[in-house]
Amino acid sequence: QKEVEQNSGPLSVPEGAIASLNCTYSDRGSQSFFWYRQYSGKSPELIMFIYSNGDKEDGRFTAQLNKASQYVSLLIRDSQPSDSATYLCAVNGPNFGNEKLTFGTGTRLTIIP
Amino acid sequence: NAGVTQTPKFQVLKTGQSMTLQCAQDMNHNSMYWYRQDPGMGLRLIYYSASEGTTDKGEVPNGYNVSRLNKREFSLRLESAAPSQTSVYFCASSESRVQNEQFFGPGTRLTVL
Repeated sequence: QKEVEQNSGPLSVPEGAIASLNCTYSDRGSQSFFWYRQYSGKSPELIMFIYSNGDKEDGRFTAQLNKASQYVSLLIRDSQPSDSATYLCAVNGPNFGNEKLTFGTGTRLTIIP
Repeated sequence: NAGVTQTPKFQVLKTGQSMTLQCAQDMNHNSMYWYRQDPGMGLRLIYYSASEGTTDKGEVPNGYNVSRLNKREFSLRLESAAPSQTSVYFCASSESRVQNEQFFGPGTRLTVL
């Protein structure tokens, strides 16, 4: 089992719809969870982080964490063409090394105008 | 406030040549990281430095060395470049070891012929 697993996509979503990106992780002791957005040819950009079970909202983005199911998701409401990018899930936990992040391979999202 | 800067942006080397990738951050962060990103492999940690004066191996350290010159600067050296080291290299920094929100530099695209 991969330590951090994401569906590679591509995921195609119509403009204005909700995009749902999912991530599962293997370390039950993981404590911090991050979503990065990466445009083609650019560096990863931190867009959301979540530390506690439940939902965290920031503008059009909502991160959802369920530690019991070892599952973290990112919802993007009112999707825009500018949201087209690869989204990376990253996890920080004791078995991964508290001082390190373990990244998934990313989900490529395309917003269709 | 430039964040994380990297030089050079692009580099072409011949097999066996050496070079140093430079990274600097102006956010007064304690921890710094070097990653490589290859298609289908995601981000893989090469080396990291949890604080000034310390360095540790990551997932793929072979063929690389690092120096944490001071709190701001963390360099990555390829002593004898190989075609397998063709990749995009990212430097990142983080203030907190525990929560570990990492911020990335723009990257160096390296080709080894």
